[in-house]
Amino acid sequence: SYVLTQPPSVSVAPGKAATITCGGANIGGRTVHWYQQKPGQAPVLVLYNDSDRPSGIPERFSGSNSGNTATLTISGVEAGDEADYYCQVWDDSSDSVVFGGGTKLTVL
Amino acid sequence: QVQLQQWGAGLLKPSETLSLTCGLHSGSLRGHYWSWIRQAPGKGLEWIGEINHSGSANYNPSLKSRVSISRDTSKNQFSLSLASVTAADTAIYYCARARIFIDYWGQGALVTVSS
Repeated sequence: SYVLTQPPSVSVAPGKAATITCGGANIGGRTVHWYQQKPGQAPVLVLYNDSDRPSGIPERFSGSNSGNTATLTISGVEAGDEADYYCQVWDDSSDSVVFGGGTKLTVL
Repeated sequence: QVQLQQWGAGLLKPSETLSLTCGLHSGSLRGHYWSWIRQAPGKGLEWIGEINHSGSANYNPSLKSRVSISRDTSKNQFSLSLASVTAADTAIYYCARARIFIDYWGQGALVTVSS
């Protein structure tokens, strides 16, 4: 089945930009979705279809997807952005949802 | 606004069957897929499977032999059954509205498997 690879952790200073990658074979040919999960809470969709933001998600959250890497970028990082982030795709070959392993974003 | 509320047994012994139900408090099962997702303590998200209002289901290949997802359209509910549980099935289980992406999540329910 399809595999998504994320770095276990990313650290960034407040006000800087955080970049979280999601690698997969020709992932650029798929649509990627991103979730934020804070401790003790259910995940929240922050980006869908590579770069679309659901209502209520700040413009600071953006995304791109090309080749073998999809990217979630959080500009002007705030302390409240500290969370685990997961990428996700739909795998047609197995008719299943596939998640990346997750990335813990630490705001220094 | 879609609201999902889930319930079921929180403590199981090895070899028992896990059963959880998710109720939709507004809207209808029709027109969407409804999924179960779990998260072991300190681990990432794992998709278990999905069902649509017609009863068509898909399962994670790694769990397919033990999983069954059903729905009751008259009650606006869908349910998860996971057979022969072991300690490795200890996790928070979420119900969700999902197909291509997941836009609504239940509150999550911790299920612990312990002898």
